[in-house]
Amino acid sequence: IAGITQAPTSQILAAGRRMTLRCTQDMRHNAMYWYRQDLGLGLRLIHYSNTAGTTGKGEVPDGYSVSRANTDDFPLTLASAVPSQTSVYFCASSERGGSTDTQYFGPGTRLTVL
Amino acid sequence: GQNIDQPTEMTATEGAIVQINCTYQTSGFNGLFWYQQHAGEAPTFLSYNVLDGLEEKGRFSSFLSRSKGYSYLLLKELQMKDSASYLCAVRDSNYQLIWGAGTKLIIKP
Repeated sequence: IAGITQAPTSQILAAGRRMTLRCTQDMRHNAMYWYRQDLGLGLRLIHYSNTAGTTGKGEVPDGYSVSRANTDDFPLTLASAVPSQTSVYFCASSERGGSTDTQYFGPGTRLTVL
Repeated sequence: GQNIDQPTEMTATEGAIVQINCTYQTSGFNGLFWYQQHAGEAPTFLSYNVLDGLEEKGRFSSFLSRSKGYSYLLLKELQMKDSASYLCAVRDSNYQLIWGAGTKLIIKP
């Protein structure tokens, strides 16, 4: 593994179903983030984690939950998917403490909720 | 509220120079980032400005004026592979990134 991986690459999901998007990084970064990207809008932060064992809410957290049991993994769960959650989801990570604290992104998961 | 404004789309010619502007109004300022995103791919980091002035990195330069809430990304000697969206993001007082919607740059031969 090099950098950040996300799974699945894409998914079509029936409304009401539960879905977990996976994110793993091997850079030993402290902080991790989940964003959604919709056409015509900027990336919007869903949840974040500054360090293993802690999580926080971003701009659009409703309908999503996260956990951070260890440094490498940061799964995002949709408890009961709705069509408005159709989007491209990006996971990112950063050192959290460096001078620039640049965020590095995974390849994304394209989710369609019908 | 917090706001990042960028032009939606720009067109330029291969070999030319293009300037992509970004204006921002955020609660606090802890740095401004530019990312490049090719269609269907993840954003990749281009540049970071935290002090006023110009940062040059090869064919790409980024400028910041904190007093004006303004930045631009300058791309020189445009190549076809520069066709992409360019995202401006500001780190606010909560240390979170606020993102613009991105500027789609189309390069014509």
